[in-house]
Amino acid sequence: AQRVTQPEKLLSVFKGAPVELKCNYSYSGSPELFWYVQYSRQRLQLLLRHISRESIKGFTADLNKGETSFHLKKPFAQEEDSAMYYCALSGQNTGFQKLVFGTGTRLLVSP
Amino acid sequence: KAGVTQTPRYLIKTRGQQVTLSCSPISGHRSVSWYQQTPGQGLQFLFEYFSETQRNKGNFPGRFSGRQFSNSRSEMNVSTLELGDSALYLCASSLLAGGVEQFFGPGTRLTVL
Repeated sequence: AQRVTQPEKLLSVFKGAPVELKCNYSYSGSPELFWYVQYSRQRLQLLLRHISRESIKGFTADLNKGETSFHLKKPFAQEEDSAMYYCALSGQNTGFQKLVFGTGTRLLVSP
Repeated sequence: KAGVTQTPRYLIKTRGQQVTLSCSPISGHRSVSWYQQTPGQGLQFLFEYFSETQRNKGNFPGRFSGRQFSNSRSEMNVSTLELGDSALYLCASSLLAGGVEQFFGPGTRLTVL
């Protein structure tokens, strides 16, 4: 079965500290992995996807197939990074358009 | 471009009633997906429509149904509402079907009393 696990419900850090939001997945084959973010009172939006290998707002995520992980990292957290972060996957097994989401991690960056 | 719009934004219904939610995708987008978000189950896929055809369906009972019109607008219907159907229903659109970025709407908050 396809599954995404985000072990932390809440991650609280101080401004300027490094951030790592964990995501592990279970999937037979080659999934597409995504990070979605939801800022307060805003809609869910795509932050980054592993295929593009981009750095968005200072965040990066590397797909580790051996550990089946796709952790989201940022070297120096900013207060505006406070939001709800969801890891998600899709692929041929799920039907490409179907996103399987993790339960989300709330990131709180304090001044 | 205008984003994905969903109407109504809030709904209150009673058990046993039925409800219809509407989603207008971004202009030019032909794929529309629906998700249910609850505190207990998180975000769960309901179904996806592309060119008026349901291409994929999640694990929800038959009370949940949907359709897509020729202008790509989509509706989802829930019949015989149960208390557990209370949730935020999100619609997402994408240009094409399969593995591309999905743009989410603000959601419709359904409360079943």
